[in-house]
Amino acid sequence: GIQVEQSPPDLILQEGANSTLRCNFSDSVNNLQWFHQNPWGQLINLFYIPSGTKQNGRLSATTVATERYSLLYISSSQTTDSGVYFCAVGREETSGSRLTFGEGTQLTVNP
Amino acid sequence: KAGVTQTPRYLIKTRGQQVTLSCSPISGHRSVSWYQQTPGQGLQFLFEYFSETQRNKGNFPGRFSGRQFSNSRSEMNVSTLELGDSALYLCASSLGPVDNEKLFFGSGTQLSVL
Repeated sequence: GIQVEQSPPDLILQEGANSTLRCNFSDSVNNLQWFHQNPWGQLINLFYIPSGTKQNGRLSATTVATERYSLLYISSSQTTDSGVYFCAVGREETSGSRLTFGEGTQLTVNP
Repeated sequence: KAGVTQTPRYLIKTRGQQVTLSCSPISGHRSVSWYQQTPGQGLQFLFEYFSETQRNKGNFPGRFSGRQFSNSRSEMNVSTLELGDSALYLCASSLGPVDNEKLFFGSGTQLSVL
C-alpha cells in the first residue's frame, strides 16, 4: 500500500514563530488532506488539497503531486496551534473515504 | 450545523465482551467512515458506509463490523473484545457518493479493554 511519511516528528516553537511541516507519499494520489488533532482527540480538517496551494488565515498548504509531497505552513504560531498534525492521502483505485494517514507531527507552541 | 456526533465518549469493557459505538453524521452527509487510532499503529481505516451499504473495508478481523441506517447514522460493533482493541475510534462523515471528498471527524469514542 501507499506509504506516507511526515517530518519532523516533533517540533517545539515559541509563540510567534513560523514553521513548515512536510508530507511525502510513495505513489500518485488524488486525495490529500491535512488535519489537526487537538488535545481532546478531535481531528479538525484544515485543507483538502490534492494539488495546488490554498490559504486559510495563518495556515497555508501546497501540494506538488508530480513530486509526491505536500507542505503545511503555519505562520505567527499561537499556543492553540499545539497538537498533532496529520497528512492523509487517498488513491484513485480506493473508492470513497479510505485515507492512509501519516504518523503525524507533534507541535508544541510555548508562550 | 451540528458536527459529527459520537457516543459514548468513553467506554470501559472487559475481554470477551462486545461493544457498540454510535455515530451521527453531519446533517445532509450520507457517507460515514470509521477509523481506529492507537499509539502503536496510528490511524487506520476500518470501513465506510454509503446508503446503508459497505463501500470499502480495511484490514481488520471479522470481529469488527458496522452498519448504516436509512437516516445515515452508523454503528460499529466489536465482538469478543481483546486487550489490543483498546483505542480511540473515530467516525468521519462526508457528503457522498463522490469519492475523494473532505472528511469531517467526530470527537471519538475512547475504548478501554481490561
